[in-house]
Amino acid sequence: DGGITQSPKYLFRKEGQNVTLSCEQNLNHDAMYWYRQDPGQGLRLIYYSQIVNDFQKGDIAEGYSVSREKKESFPLTVTSAQKNPTAFYLCASSLDRSNEQFFGPGTRLTVL
Amino acid sequence: DQQVKQNSPSLSVQEGRISILNCDYTNSMFDYFLWYKKYPAEGPTFLISISSIKDKNEDGRFTVFLNKSAKHLSLHIVPSQPGDSAVYFCAAKYWVTGANNLFFGTGTRLTVIP
Repeated sequence: DGGITQSPKYLFRKEGQNVTLSCEQNLNHDAMYWYRQDPGQGLRLIYYSQIVNDFQKGDIAEGYSVSREKKESFPLTVTSAQKNPTAFYLCASSLDRSNEQFFGPGTRLTVL
Repeated sequence: DQQVKQNSPSLSVQEGRISILNCDYTNSMFDYFLWYKKYPAEGPTFLISISSIKDKNEDGRFTVFLNKSAKHLSLHIVPSQPGDSAVYFCAAKYWVTGANNLFFGTGTRLTVIP
């Protein structure tokens, strides 16, 4: 089955620790995205990547980092510099020029 | 600045009746609009879309209407079913140097009452 997987579904970390969220897709999509969802807010774009070894900052990139070494993978690192890291994180992908993005199931990160 | 707005955070509708979810946008460069449905603790799933060259797109029980002059779109669900209860996000995009970035509204929680 083709799709996007994110792991783990729930993640707990202590304040001050970096944490990496996994996102893998087997849809052969060129573009991948990371969003963050907070209560009462829409999805906000953190980073996106149009192609391997290339990525761009979204609206709220501060405190986050990404890599795109493989087409299938787009991991997101939440660093200790992110002031409010507790949120629901969503990964998405799309064909290069398609309009529709496909989303993964999300990872809920809680920083204690 | 929120370019896509959903001013109703929640909506309750009786089963079998029509649900109408509204969305307003400010950027006249948007050329494609999408609706996503989201259940708790899951990723959004694509529901229906419309190009800016059209004013209506229908798919089964779901119809999206676009009024470009008013910068307004709406999603109609007829008849509404309990399984439609979810948060609905409106999204819009315009093509910028190959990027496919979507701008999302804040969502409307639909509750269909049996």
